[in-house]
Amino acid sequence: QKEVEQNSGPLSVPEGAIASLNCTYSDRVSQSFFWYRQYSGKSPELIMSIYSNGDKEDGRFTAQLNKASQYVSLLIRDSQPSDSATYLCAVTLTGANNLFFGTGTRLTVIP
Amino acid sequence: NAGVMQNPRHLVRRRGQEARLRCSPMKGHSHVYWYRQLPEEGLKFMVYLQKENIIDESGMPKERFSAEFPKEGPSILRIQQVVRGDSAAYFCASSWGPGDIQYFGAGTRLSVL
Repeated sequence: QKEVEQNSGPLSVPEGAIASLNCTYSDRVSQSFFWYRQYSGKSPELIMSIYSNGDKEDGRFTAQLNKASQYVSLLIRDSQPSDSATYLCAVTLTGANNLFFGTGTRLTVIP
Repeated sequence: NAGVMQNPRHLVRRRGQEARLRCSPMKGHSHVYWYRQLPEEGLKFMVYLQKENIIDESGMPKERFSAEFPKEGPSILRIQQVVRGDSAAYFCASSWGPGDIQYFGAGTRLSVL
């Protein structure tokens, strides 16, 4: 079982819709959770970090964490064509400081 | 630019040559991480360093790969006797402390001919 799993997509949503990206992880005591956005040929860019159960909102982005279900999600409201990118879920596992990444979900926002 | 600086951005090597990738962390950061991204794959951790120390190299291939972060100067990822399978994007990230948010550099895209 992979440490971090994401649906690879592609996920297509119309402009203005809500995009929902999901991620599950295997380590029950993972502490830190991150969403990065990566445009094609570019480096990962931090979108959100979340450390405790519940929701965390930042502008059009909301991260949701459920440690009991080992599940973290990212909602993008009012999706824009500029949101079209690959979204990477990353987790720090017990005893390690490095990030474990999922393979990413490719999002396309259709104008 | 106070961000994570990587150079070169693109590096072309022939099989058997050596590749040296450099990373200067963000100002104030003393923790450096190297990741590799193969085409159409996710990022894989390679090594975690602090100044003059390798903290975790569990993701490094056992042969041909080495990393350092000297007291002065950038962190270096060195690949000896490159093979075509080493072609990938190599990203460096830095953080202020262990487990803190990691910020990524623009990456070095290595192509092995």
